[in-house]
Amino acid sequence: GAVVSQHPSWVICKSGTSVKIECRSLDFQATTMFWYRQFPKQSLMLMATSNEGSKATYEQGVEKDKFLINHASLTLSTLTVTSAHPEDSSFYICSARDEGATGIYGWEKLFFGSGTQLSVL
Amino acid sequence: GIQVEQSPPDLILQEGANSTLRCNFSDSVNNLQWFHQNPWGQLINLFYIPSGTKQNGRLSATTVATERYSLLYISSSQTTDSGVYFCAVERPGTASKLTFGTGTRLQVTL
Repeated sequence: GAVVSQHPSWVICKSGTSVKIECRSLDFQATTMFWYRQFPKQSLMLMATSNEGSKATYEQGVEKDKFLINHASLTLSTLTVTSAHPEDSSFYICSARDEGATGIYGWEKLFFGSGTQLSVL
Repeated sequence: GIQVEQSPPDLILQEGANSTLRCNFSDSVNNLQWFHQNPWGQLINLFYIPSGTKQNGRLSATTVATERYSLLYISSSQTTDSGVYFCAVERPGTASKLTFGTGTRLQVTL
C-alpha cells in the first residue's frame, strides 16, 4: 500500500522556539493532506486540511498563525508550530489522500504517517 | 458537530479471551472505519465498514447504520492486540475528514 512518511518521530524544544514537522507521500501524489493532534490518552482531533497550492483550512479553535501549514508540492506538507509552549506538547499525525488508489470507499485512499511526538520544555 | 462515543474506555483481557468494542455515533455518517493504534502511535486500518459485517482473521466488525452504532469483535486475543482502538466517521458533506471516537484502551495479558 501507499506510504506516508512523517519526520521527525519525536522532537524536544525550548519554549518560544518554532518546530517544523514534515509529512511526505512517498509513492503517490497527494493534493490533500490532513493534520491531527492527539493529547495523552485522548482521541485524535483534526486540526487542518492542507491543500496543495492553496491555503490550508483550519478547524474551529485552531490558531492558524500558530500552526502554519505549507503544502508546496504534491508530495510534501509541513506543519510549523510557532513560538511553541508547553501546552503545545502533543502527538501530531498527518494523513494523505491517494487519489489514484483503487477501492469503492473514499477511505481506502487515506494513509497515515507514523506521528511526531512534540515535547516543549 | 457529530459525537462519537466508544465503550468500554478501558479493557483488560487475558490472552485467548474474546471481546466486543462498541462505537455509537450521534448522526448519519457516510463512512465508518476502525483503527488500531499501536503503542508507538501508528494508526493501522482495520476495517472500512459503513454498513454490514466484515471479517478479517480474528477480527470482525458490524455496523448498523440505521441505529448508529458499530461493533468490533476480537476473538482469541493476543498480547499484540494491545493498544487503543478507535472508530472514526466521515463527516457528512466532507471528503476524508475524520471524526475519531473516544477510543478503547485494550491490554491483553498472559
